[in-house]
Amino acid sequence: KAGVTQTPRYLIKTRGQQVTLSCSPISGHRSVSWYQQTPGQGLQFLFEYFSETQRNKGNFPGRFSGRQFSNSRSEMNVSTLELGDSALYLCASSLGVQSNQPQHFGDGTRLSIL
Amino acid sequence: TQLLEQSPQFLSIQEGENLTVYCNSSSVFSSLQWYRQEPGEGPVLLVTVVTGGEVKKLKRLTFQFGDARKDSSLHITAAQPGDTGLYLCAGTTSGTYKYIFGTGTRLKVLA
Repeated sequence: KAGVTQTPRYLIKTRGQQVTLSCSPISGHRSVSWYQQTPGQGLQFLFEYFSETQRNKGNFPGRFSGRQFSNSRSEMNVSTLELGDSALYLCASSLGVQSNQPQHFGDGTRLSIL
Repeated sequence: TQLLEQSPQFLSIQEGENLTVYCNSSSVFSSLQWYRQEPGEGPVLLVTVVTGGEVKKLKRLTFQFGDARKDSSLHITAAQPGDTGLYLCAGTTSGTYKYIFGTGTRLKVLA
């Protein structure tokens, strides 16, 4: 069974640019969550999508947005990039039908802002 | 705001030693997961516990969910260098579909 796939694995951008990250969940999983991981803040929740609808949102500015397609694949977009956006962005999928169903993570996209 | 505090933050031990990592909160969780993350990779799910007082074993790893479902512990027996990594706990509350992650415990096992 294929795991969660995130592309690209590495990305270098400059301040002010925008970026789109992609996540393909495990087949059959309808929930996709996005996280930002930094050494100082740990894993912070960005948002969660289920059946193409944003079901949960974390405390990030509006520059961070996402969407989910009918095949459950998800994209995350960050506009007007700032130096502080440098982080590992992780995507996780789950069945999403019950709140205690575990998440499975991809290996992340390492975003560096110059 | 729901918080999950893990202790210790860092742990460096010799191969063969035992250790316990704690995950504590003032909130009640409907389930709790433990993950291990290695450099350059995403967290890998180790276990999910859902019942207060539940104990699960995975080879040399023993996981316990507190009776009140506010805390959990991970005990490793006879640690090996392959156990090195960042250990994360994550909790969910009923109906929220939102995972709160702990602050993490970075474990290094020396050969």
